[in-house]
Amino acid sequence: DAKTTQPTSMDCAEGRAANLPCNHSTISGNEYVYWYRQIHSQGPQYIIHGLKNNETNEMASLIITEDRKSSTLILPHATLRDTAVYYCIVRGFKTIFGAGTRLFVKA
Amino acid sequence: KAGVTQTPRYLIKTRGQQVTLSCSPISGHRSVSWYQQTPGQGLQFLFEYFSETQRNKGNFPGRFSGRQFSNSRSEMNVSTLELGDSALYLCASSPGTGSTGNTIYFGEGSWLTVV
Repeated sequence: DAKTTQPTSMDCAEGRAANLPCNHSTISGNEYVYWYRQIHSQGPQYIIHGLKNNETNEMASLIITEDRKSSTLILPHATLRDTAVYYCIVRGFKTIFGAGTRLFVKA
Repeated sequence: KAGVTQTPRYLIKTRGQQVTLSCSPISGHRSVSWYQQTPGQGLQFLFEYFSETQRNKGNFPGRFSGRQFSNSRSEMNVSTLELGDSALYLCASSPGTGSTGNTIYFGEGSWLTVV
C-alpha cells in the first residue's frame, strides 16, 4: 500500500491560495490520489480525487505530476474556515492515512 | 441523500466492559470501513466489509471485531476494553471496495471514553 508524505504544518493568509503538497512516490497502477480534510472533532470530509489528470471542483483543484509521484491540492481563496488537517491518501487495497498537514489560515 | 450515520455519538465505558458501535452507510453503498483515531496514532484502519464479508483488516488485536448485515449496515465490537481504546471511531462507506475511484465518505464518529 502506497504511503504519502506531507508537511506537518503550513500557514496561509486569508484570501490567498493555499498550496498543499504531497509525495506519493510508491503509487502504482490504477491507484487514485484522494484528499480529505478534518476539522477538529469531526469526521474527515472528502475534497477531491484524481488518477493522472488535473481535477477541479467547487472546493479545490488537484494537480498531479506526470510521473504521478506527487500532487498539490490548491484552495484558490483560503478562508478562516479552511483551517483544518488535510490528508493526502492513495487509495489502494487498504486506505492508509498519514499524519496530514495542519493548515492555519490567518486573517 | 443522507450521509453516513454513526451511533452512539458519545459513550463512556469502564475497563473490562465491551462496546458495540453502529454504522449506517449512505444508501446504495455496499462497502463499510472502520477507523480508530487517537491523538498519538492518528487515523488507523481497522477493517473493511463488503457484501457481509471482511475484505481487509488492519493491525489490531482480536478484541476488535466487526460485521456487516445484508442491508450493508455495520457494527464493530470491542471486548475487554482498555484505557488505550479511548478514541474517536470513524465509519466510512463507499459504493464498492478497493481503489479505482470508489470515494469513501465518513460519518461524524463515535467518541468512546474508557475509564
